Amino acid sequence: QLVLTQSPSASASLGASVKLTCTLSSGHSSSAIAWLQQQPEKGPRYLMKVNNDGSHNKGDGIPDRFSGSSSGAERYLTISSLQSEDEGDYYCQTWGTGIRVFGGGTKLTVL
Amino acid sequence: QVQLVESGGGVVQPGRSLRLSCAASGFTFSNYAIHWVRQAPGKGLEWVAVISYDGGNKYYADSVKGRFTISRDNPKNTLYLQVNSLRVEDTAMYYCAKGWELLQQWGQGTLVTVSS
Repeated sequence: QLVLTQSPSASASLGASVKLTCTLSSGHSSSAIAWLQQQPEKGPRYLMKVNNDGSHNKGDGIPDRFSGSSSGAERYLTISSLQSEDEGDYYCQTWGTGIRVFGGGTKLTVL
Repeated sequence: QVQLVESGGGVVQPGRSLRLSCAASGFTFSNYAIHWVRQAPGKGLEWVAVISYDGGNKYYADSVKGRFTISRDNPKNTLYLQVNSLRVEDTAMYYCAKGWELLQQWGQGTLVTVSS
């Protein structure tokens, strides 16, 4: 079964960096995923696709502060030089035949 | 620029029906698959359904299969979601999103509240 697992919460200080993790379920460790950002009271925004080899393709207008990487079944989103507007929920998403799956989301607090 | 605008939400009693719409602009609508995704209050994102660019392929989450129907009218640049036999647990913000594997543009959502 295709499942994505995320930690419920993370926090980091203004100007610091944070690395969020999304873990693919057994048997799906080579799958690509997408990262989405949802700021409070807004619709989600696509950030990037992260491939199995760690390469990533960002959406239009996504700042260089956002980057993706990969190791085994884990896919990462790193945000550097944290700003207050980075606070919000971050979701990973993947796909299979006839199905799309979201992780449970990580709530990021900027201290 | 790409714009997706959902409408049709509201307060409805359990067991009743609604039709949600998603009006698209800023891109060639007939070239892209479109999804419905929902988010219950205070909860995460839940994928609901997807329809291919020509309407020939449709897929649904198990939680809505048999009750929800996704459709599209390409000349009108509009996506629909017919929601029947509504349950309290269907209460959520409903978003449409463009793309097949990657959901790259999203609307702002329409709120459906199921309550007696």
